[in-house]
This record gives sequence, structure tokens and C-alpha cells, in this order.
Amino acid sequence: EADIYQTPRYLVIGTGKKITLECSQTMGHDKMYWYQQDPGMELHLIHYSYGVNSTEKGDLSSESTVSRIRTEHFPLTLESARPSHTSQYLCASSSQGQGSPTYEQYFGPGTRLTVT
Amino acid sequence: SQQGEEDPQALSIQEGENATMNCSYKTSINNLQWYRQNSGRGLVHLILIRSNEREKHSGRLRVTLDTSKKSSSLLITASRAADTASYFCASSGAGSYQLTFGKGTKLSVIP
Repeated sequence: EADIYQTPRYLVIGTGKKITLECSQTMGHDKMYWYQQDPGMELHLIHYSYGVNSTEKGDLSSESTVSRIRTEHFPLTLESARPSHTSQYLCASSSQGQGSPTYEQYFGPGTRLTVT
Repeated sequence: SQQGEEDPQALSIQEGENATMNCSYKTSINNLQWYRQNSGRGLVHLILIRSNEREKHSGRLRVTLDTSKKSSSLLITASRAADTASYFCASSGAGSYQLTFGKGTKLSVIP
């Protein structure tokens, strides 16, 4: 079981609200990622970070923003939620490792977001 | 993008049978990984195979990689009901930590 946590697990919110999805890991991993996944579909990378104060956008365009002020914490924020944001959001982390980098990613349980 | 495609999209077998899933990708890779996702949960890493490897085993799992065909297969032997889940392949390019995931194969193992 990976030491990576996401809160809340489920969120139902009205259009226009600001929301923050939390992600924390206790493994000391330098790299963290946010994916968006619709039911039964593949994961799309929306944001990633390779260390503190480093964030980049992923392959899938997203209206969300992220921050990385502490190694263990990588929150995702939607300033104004819309029904098109309804999806599952998965957070993951990975480590540089010693010597050769390790590419395995550890995933949190996900946040299922519904915007009404 | 080096998006992977899994085949089949869904597979239903009896407990004790073997399950084979295939994955194709488009560009050169550094490694290819397989993950399992139980319904409504996060992904769990199963096995990683590097681009210079052809076959790898882990317990009941066997992964093959054919870089000339840009394809990989995952074999689960003697399947159990607990193996019921979606299985995703994910690839990363040289020098990249980012993963590109395929669409997944939904496996149902009937007791």
C-alpha cells in the first residue's frame, strides 16, 4: 500500500465554486503528478512537478492550477468549477532513486469530482 | 504522443484460466510498465520491463516486449477472482519520467 493520500475521496459541488484537491505523500518522493481519468478510460497527465517550486502542464490541457511549496504536498485547484470538470483525479509520485532512476509511480486512491 | 493501445478492451475468463493482454505503443521507449486498477481506486504498479529486455516474470505475471513491433503483452497465469480489475500499460521515453497510459483492458475472472 503506497503512502500517498488524497482528500476528499468524493466531492459534489455546484458550478462556479472554487475547489482544492489535496494530495500528500510521505515517501519523500521528488516527483509528483496529477492525472484526469474518465470512467473506463485512460489516464491523462494534466500537471507534474519534479521538485519544490517546479510545476509543469501535462499533455491534456486543464483549467486547473497546482503548487509545490513542500516536497510532500501537491494540491490542485479549480478556480471556478464547471460540469465539464466532472471526472476522477488521481495523484501519483515517483522517486529519482539511487543510481538509475526508478520510473515506477505510486498512486493515491483518487478524488471523484462531480460538478452540478 | 506515444499513446498505448490495449487489446482486448474487455476479457472475461473462468478462474484458473490464463489471461493475456496486449499493448502497442507508437514511439521509442525507455521502459514499459503495467498497472492494475480496481474499480474506483488508484493504480498499483505490477511490473516494469526495460527496452533492452525481452521477457520478465513476477509471480504469476509474465511480460514480454517486442521493440521491433512496438508491442508488449501481459500474461496472468492461473487467474483468480481477485485478479478482476482493469489493466493498463504505460510507457516512458528516453530521459522522461512521464508516463503515457493506454486505454486499458477490463478483466473479469468468474469464480
